[in-house]
Amino acid sequence: AQTVTQSQPEMSVQEAETVTLSCTYDTSESDYYLFWYKQPPSRQMILVIRQEAYKQQNATENRFSVNFQKAAKSFSLKISDSQLGDAAMYFCAYRRTSYDKVIFGPGTSLSVIP
Amino acid sequence: DAMVIQNPRYQVTQFGKPVTLSCSQTLNHNVMYWYQQKSSQAPKLLFHYYDKDFNNEADTPDNFQSRRPNTSFCFLDIRSPGLGDAAMYLCATSRPHVADSYEQYFGPGTRLTVT
Repeated sequence: AQTVTQSQPEMSVQEAETVTLSCTYDTSESDYYLFWYKQPPSRQMILVIRQEAYKQQNATENRFSVNFQKAAKSFSLKISDSQLGDAAMYFCAYRRTSYDKVIFGPGTSLSVIP
Repeated sequence: DAMVIQNPRYQVTQFGKPVTLSCSQTLNHNVMYWYQQKSSQAPKLLFHYYDKDFNNEADTPDNFQSRRPNTSFCFLDIRSPGLGDAAMYLCATSRPHVADSYEQYFGPGTRLTVT
């Protein structure tokens, strides 16, 4: 069965600094999708970034980028130039290409210090 | 804007009194999900619909039921809420098998309080 692990329950970062959130997953599949979702205190979950496993190039979205290491089954999120609005719960998630369920990690609570 | 809408945003019910939460979407996605989320935890999938095909998670209590009368609407029925059912309930949609997609779109959630 697929599992997603986030080993950092809580992280903090100074405003304007860079922080990296870790995620590892376990799967026997070769084709799948990985996601980082953000859930601010208002609780609406939104997609931050998406990575297709068949793509070797790491995905980037403005200040957000990932380090996808397929062999190591690692999918970390880097937030550059951290802003107060980045404070939220971040969930790493996995989805098999042809299957409908998404497996969420336990989440990392990120605080941004002014 | 296309979106996922949940009503009500806050729901208070009494112990054992049936309650229905609703979700609607304007995205025309064929998959809809219901999640239960307790404080500081990951969302827990209760069930999902692929079109009209219902998929229940093995550990979802029988107390939880769902209906999807059409593509746009999905309902979560809790037949006899207990104190342990107090949580945020999230609705989400997706459209699998689309090459540039696979992500889920979430509604704002309904916070259920059981008194």
